Amino acid sequence: SQTIHQWPATLVQPVGSPLSLECTVEGTSNPNLYWYRQAAGRGLQLLFYSVGIGQISSEVPQNLSASRPQDRQFILSSKKLLLSDSGFYLCAWSGGLDTGELFFGEGSRLTVL
Amino acid sequence: DAKTTQPPSMDCAEGRAANLPCNHSTISGNEYVYWYRQIHSQGPQYIIHGLKNNETNEMASLIITEDRKSSTLILPHATLRDTAVYYCIVSYNNNDMRFGAGTRLTVKP
Repeated sequence: SQTIHQWPATLVQPVGSPLSLECTVEGTSNPNLYWYRQAAGRGLQLLFYSVGIGQISSEVPQNLSASRPQDRQFILSSKKLLLSDSGFYLCAWSGGLDTGELFFGEGSRLTVL
Repeated sequence: DAKTTQPPSMDCAEGRAANLPCNHSTISGNEYVYWYRQIHSQGPQYIIHGLKNNETNEMASLIITEDRKSSTLILPHATLRDTAVYYCIVSYNNNDMRFGAGTRLTVKP
């Protein structure tokens, strides 16, 4: 069966520090991968998606970047965190463009102080 | 921006059917209607999706109006564990999933 894991689960970082959130998927190959962010009390905002190794599409201009160094690995990074980067970050995968279902990880809660 | 409109909150009695409405008046012909739910501090969970016809699975039923401008998610026998935020999404593929604020459903004993 397919599983998705992301870490760390909780992170407290000072403003200006770097960030690295990692997501891995097991039990499937060539998944579509996604990073979402959820601010407190709000819906999910799509940040990045990837349809293959090295292929990243960005939905909104921001202080974050994403990379996909391996087929089932998706990394969210920042060189210098802002207060506004605080939120709940969710990684997700799907089997293709039209499968109709996204599978989400457990989430990573980032607090920037 | 989300292409759907949902009520911010709803209550339902345990054991009764929960009917969650969604308006999507600008839906295109090739766009599906998806429903997800999110229990506090967890990732969203897929429930069901459809294009034109009504759909049913082990979790819920999806009723789409003939003009496709609105839909209703039905949880036939709501339980306390169904308390969550329910998202209605309109999209033509998985790379365009835009989650709005959703409906916060509270199932009461």
